[in-house]
Amino acid sequence: QKEVEQNSGPLSVPEGAIASLNCTYSDRGSQSFFWYRQYSGKSPELIMSIYSNGDKEDGRFTAQLNKASQYVSLLIRDSQPSDSATYLCAVNNREYGNKLVFGAGTILRVKS
Amino acid sequence: GAVVSQHPSRVICKSGTSVKIECRSLDFQATTMFWYRQFPKQSLMLMATSNEGSKATYEQGVEKDKFLINHASLTLSTLTVTSAHPEDSSFYICSARDRIHTGELFFGEGSRLTVL
Repeated sequence: QKEVEQNSGPLSVPEGAIASLNCTYSDRGSQSFFWYRQYSGKSPELIMSIYSNGDKEDGRFTAQLNKASQYVSLLIRDSQPSDSATYLCAVNNREYGNKLVFGAGTILRVKS
Repeated sequence: GAVVSQHPSRVICKSGTSVKIECRSLDFQATTMFWYRQFPKQSLMLMATSNEGSKATYEQGVEKDKFLINHASLTLSTLTVTSAHPEDSSFYICSARDRIHTGELFFGEGSRLTVL
């Protein structure tokens, strides 16, 4: 089973700052990459998907993908206390039956 | 995004009984649904892949006779925890892949099972 790795955190940032979440993956054949947000006691919510190298922006969120370095990140600008959650990185590889492999998640705490 | 509905959201049962959890894709057809389990402060663990009209594929270490999965239609998959025991208490989450947006996985609200 290929792996997805994330720093468990917690990552603490002040309100209004940029939060940077990182994820590395081991399988070079991975094709699709996702960031999910999970609040305590709730199910994950899709935040961003990215499929090609470079940046993808959606509101305050920017996903960055570098396939050569096997690295995907999520930037959250103007962080708000409501952004405090666990962020899960997920990677998809069709060779493994199109299953998503999840990282363990990074806990983000935004302090007001 | 696509909507996946899961029911019940919470269930408490006695040890030895069976519990059925339903997962529905409300606004799209899902040929494949996934069932995950999550213990407190841990990440999602894939239990099985449910394919419409065929047998589910179970991950290593997951007992297929204990966790029965049925995917009878393109919008409904069910997970039945048979002869539940306290160690089966967990957060069970289903997910479905939108056939149009290949790769994007949407999750149900989750079902918290407590076995007494």
